[in-house]
Amino acid sequence: AQKITQTQPGMFVQEKEAVTLDCTYDTSDPSYGLFWYKQPSSGEMIFLIYQGSYDQQNATEGRYSLNFQKARKSANLVISASQLGDSAMYFCAMRARVLNSGYALNFGKGTSLLVTP
Amino acid sequence: GAGVSQTPSNKVTEKGKYVELRCDPISGHTALYWYRQSLGQGPEFLIYFQGTGAADDSGLPNDRFFAVRPEGSVSTLKIQRTERGDSAVYLCASSFTSGGRYNEQFFGPGTRLTVL
Repeated sequence: AQKITQTQPGMFVQEKEAVTLDCTYDTSDPSYGLFWYKQPSSGEMIFLIYQGSYDQQNATEGRYSLNFQKARKSANLVISASQLGDSAMYFCAMRARVLNSGYALNFGKGTSLLVTP
Repeated sequence: GAGVSQTPSNKVTEKGKYVELRCDPISGHTALYWYRQSLGQGPEFLIYFQGTGAADDSGLPNDRFFAVRPEGSVSTLKIQRTERGDSAVYLCASSFTSGGRYNEQFFGPGTRLTVL
């Protein structure tokens, strides 16, 4: 069974600073994918970044980067140059195989990020 | 283009009543997922559709929950004899296909269900 752990219920960061949101995972599958989603107060889950287990390089998408340490089973999200609009819940998720060639997302409990002026 | 839409945005009902929650996926997306997000938790998988059929319903908590997607587009999540524990935000997501590199799932804004 898969497990996603986010140990930081809440984080604060000052505007323009960088922040790291932690995520550790456990899986017996040799092939897996890790996602980060942002959930603002409006409720919609917004895809941020993806890391495949066989990817040689850490994923980057604009101000978002993923610090992937496979041996330690961690996939931390780094947000550079934080903006006030980054204040939201952030969820780490792993792709879980389901029947008939599908996959679902197995989410952690999330981290609430507050960016202060 | 239009994203995933869900109606209603909020639903308040009484214990024991029947409710229907609707999801309209992005046009052309063949895969559709329902998740349930309880307060303070991440979303939990309920059911996955590939086209018209429920390809995996292993996440449905019990037989009071049922979902359909009769024409391979709009889906309805149906909850019978609602209980207070069913109160949560119900999220719908869609993607072009299942599998592949990562086939990003696009989420709707959710329906907040409150059972009194």
